[in-house]
Amino acid sequence: NAGVMQNPRHLVRRRGQEARLRCSPMKGHSHVYWYRQLPEEGLKFMVYLQKENIIDESGMPKERFSAEFPKEGPSILRIQQVVRGDSAAYFCASSGLAGDTQYFGPGTRLTVL
Amino acid sequence: TQLLEQSPQFLSIQEGENLTVYCNSSSVFSSLQWYRQEPGEGPVLLVTVVTGGEVKKLKRLTFQFGDARKDSSLHITAAQPGDTGLYLCAGEAAGWNYQLIWGAGTKLIIKP
Repeated sequence: NAGVMQNPRHLVRRRGQEARLRCSPMKGHSHVYWYRQLPEEGLKFMVYLQKENIIDESGMPKERFSAEFPKEGPSILRIQQVVRGDSAAYFCASSGLAGDTQYFGPGTRLTVL
Repeated sequence: TQLLEQSPQFLSIQEGENLTVYCNSSSVFSSLQWYRQEPGEGPVLLVTVVTGGEVKKLKRLTFQFGDARKDSSLHITAAQPGDTGLYLCAGEAAGWNYQLIWGAGTKLIIKP
C-alpha cells in the first residue's frame, strides 16, 4: 500500500513564476491536508480538502495561493507569482476520515530565487 | 491563538544517556501526537495520546500526556545514535479534529 506521494521533491522557481505542487493521498484516503514548514519551525496548517471540496482554507494566504482536489487525480497546491518568502518545505498529509491519523508525504522543497 | 512550546530546541548528548523532551501549552488538546522527522523527509507518527495522564511506551521511548491535557513529554532511555532526528509534537485542538497545532521541534543528536 503506497504511502502519500508528493512531487516534485524539489522545485526551483524565479520570482514571479508559478509553482505547482502535487499530492497523491494514500490509497483509500479522501481527506488531504497541506502544511508549510519554514526552517527551524514546526508545520503550519494551510488547507484541508476533500474530493472536489475545500473544507477549511483558513491557514492559506488569501492571495496567490490556491488548492484543489479534483474528483480524479492528485491534489494540487498552486502558488502564483512566487516571492522569496514562499521558499519552504510544503507537506501534504492524508487521512481516511476527518480526525483520523494523518499520514505525511515526503514534502516538496520550494526554493524561490 | 493556540501554541505548543517545545523544549529544549536542541539537545546533543552521548550514547547511553537518558533525555526528556517537553511540549507545553496553556490550551487543552483533545489529543497530542509525537512525530519524528528525518532531514528531507516528512514527519512520521510515533504515538498518539488521548487521555489525561496516559502513558505509552514504544521500546525505549516513553510518552506521557499531562493530566489536564495541556502538556506532554517524551522520555528516551539509553539513547542511541539511531534516535538522532527532529522530534515534533502536534496537538489536535478541541473542536477542530483535523487542524493540528505544531511545536517547533526538538533537534536531537546522539553522539556515539
